[in-house]
Amino acid sequence: KAGVTQTPRYLIKTRGQQVTLSCSPISGHRSVSWYQQTPGQGLQFLFEYFSETQRNKGNFPGRFSGRQFSNSRSEMNVSTLELGDSALYLCASRVTGNTEAFFGQGTRLTVV
Amino acid sequence: GESVGLHLPTLSVQEGDNSIINCAYSNSASDYFIWYKQESGKGPQFIIDIRSNMDKRQGQRVTVLLNKTVKHLSLQIAATQPGDSAVYFCAENRGGSQGNLIFGKGTKLSVKP
Repeated sequence: KAGVTQTPRYLIKTRGQQVTLSCSPISGHRSVSWYQQTPGQGLQFLFEYFSETQRNKGNFPGRFSGRQFSNSRSEMNVSTLELGDSALYLCASRVTGNTEAFFGQGTRLTVV
Repeated sequence: GESVGLHLPTLSVQEGDNSIINCAYSNSASDYFIWYKQESGKGPQFIIDIRSNMDKRQGQRVTVLLNKTVKHLSLQIAATQPGDSAVYFCAENRGGSQGNLIFGKGTKLSVKP
């Protein structure tokens, strides 16, 4: 059974640009969450999607957005990139009702 | 690893010894507490969880203890192996969607052969 797949693995963008990251959950998992991991702030919750609807949102500015498709795949978008957005972005999927979330390897975003 | 630059508490143990990793949480309304392991270059990996109405749960070589009186969580790893070297995070779910996990800062475990 394939794990959570995130693409791309690495990305370098310039300040002011926008970026889209992709996450394919484990087959059968309909809940997808996104997290930002930085050395200074650790792991922080961005948002969660279920059945194409955002169910929860963390404390991030409106430049961070996401969506989920009917096949449960999810994307997150960051507009007007800032240097501080450099981080590892992690996606996690789970079976709704279970606590066990499975994480992908993440997308390492560097903003220059 | 992913936490380079972050001043993480560190724990260094000898191979074969038991390890105890501690975590304090803040919200007494949390429903679940979960331990994750993150190896360098990888995403966090689920180890074990415990519901707030329990005080102990055992897995394979791991035991999680929950003390709600002092809001303390610990992870015990028996017979620690070099493959256990990683950063360990505790996380709590504060209700609502179970996907909304609040992570602690992490502890770096180093196992000496």
